[in-house]
Amino acid sequence: DAGITQSPRHKVTETGTPVTLRCHQTENHRYMYWYRQDPGHGLRLIHYSYGVKDTDKGEVSDGYSVSRSKTEDFLLTLESATSSQTSVYFCAISVQGGNYGYTFGSGTRLTVV
Amino acid sequence: GQQLNQSPQSMFIQEGEDVSMNCTSSSIFNTWLWYKQDPGEGPVLLIALYKAGELTSNGRLTAQFGITRKDSFLNISASIPSDVGIYFCAGPESGNTPLVFGKGTRLSVIA
Repeated sequence: DAGITQSPRHKVTETGTPVTLRCHQTENHRYMYWYRQDPGHGLRLIHYSYGVKDTDKGEVSDGYSVSRSKTEDFLLTLESATSSQTSVYFCAISVQGGNYGYTFGSGTRLTVV
Repeated sequence: GQQLNQSPQSMFIQEGEDVSMNCTSSSIFNTWLWYKQDPGEGPVLLIALYKAGELTSNGRLTAQFGITRKDSFLNISASIPSDVGIYFCAGPESGNTPLVFGKGTRLSVIA
């Protein structure tokens, strides 16, 4: 959807380097989420936000941090990338939380070598 | 956290065939959502279900909210090549919490 964009779409980085992925929305939705998708695991929640400066951890938050200083931007940082963080990362937005579904971005494919 | 179990994991069908897949949980869900993911894209919401026993259609797709509230079903009639993708079930564990997703059913359609 045009209302949510992720950048970059693809990235290759070296083990031990910090990496920041960006999610930008133009829908003014309150809720934003970061998931990772891996074969055999489906989509797993990393972190989420229910407003500016309000964030919480998900199921697989170790090694990740997030920030939300503006409604439209939700940043995911891998503090020191590891090969186990090679994955496809999806951002999602929602007006009223999980109950009414999300709109997903197109994803960022991250490879850690 | 809660897990949603989807079956089958994958299926290969002939164009024109009907498809059935399901999603189960060990605990009650009050909302069931079905998503489809095309290759290289993010998942897209297909159908949302909010009431036990509810049957909802979206074109050739029909989904049902199981009466026990621990399962949901998705049927696709007369499959076509563009139905190829991964289908996910999802729901919030409680209230308006973040969605939990199943591992997906990968559908391949043979023309």
